[in-house]
Amino acid sequence: SQKIEQNSEALNIQEGKTATLTCNYTNYSPAYLQWYRQDPGRGPVFLLLIRENEKEKRKERLKVTFDTTLKQSLFHITASQPADSATYLCALPSKAGTALIFGKGTTLSVSS
Amino acid sequence: EPEVTQTPSHQVTQMGQEVILRCVPISNHLYFYWYRQILGQKVEFLVSFYNNEISEKSEIFDDQFSVERPDGSNFTLKIRSTKLEDSAMYFCASSEGSLGNQPQHFGDGTRLSIL
Repeated sequence: SQKIEQNSEALNIQEGKTATLTCNYTNYSPAYLQWYRQDPGRGPVFLLLIRENEKEKRKERLKVTFDTTLKQSLFHITASQPADSATYLCALPSKAGTALIFGKGTTLSVSS
Repeated sequence: EPEVTQTPSHQVTQMGQEVILRCVPISNHLYFYWYRQILGQKVEFLVSFYNNEISEKSEIFDDQFSVERPDGSNFTLKIRSTKLEDSAMYFCASSEGSLGNQPQHFGDGTRLSIL
């Protein structure tokens, strides 16, 4: 069955540094991958979508890569700020492609 | 910016009772979803809904669950006979188009506590 692994449950970095989060998947050939942010007690908020034919996508301080050979996506936040502290979720299409299957997430803490 | 709204924010129910969770998706969205998140665990897909029909459901979405779009604005999730393990945060989401090229917009959830 489809499996998504976000290999760090928690990541602690200093303000100003670049945070790099990893999402690996198996038994999948997804046409796209999405990243969401979730704050405590809130619903996920969409950040970026990257398609299988795109190697990289950027939005302001965020960058996502998608390597279909390695079956991996990397999510980068440059010049990180304490306000970036949250849980970041990787999501791939469900079996029928109508919904999302989420990874467990990586909780990022940025200290000043 | 338009939002997905969910009511109530917290629902406490006795085991075995029926519960209905309500959602108002973003008005021009056509695709609707329910997810749940047990405390400390990942967000899990329950069901997707389009054109007044279920498009896909997960193994979690058994006969105790049903969804409905009773009018042009609401989208509901009903759990017929609640169990202790149904305690979770339930999120509604909507999207404008098909999933491949559109993000999903989530509400802030209903926390369901089964006693």
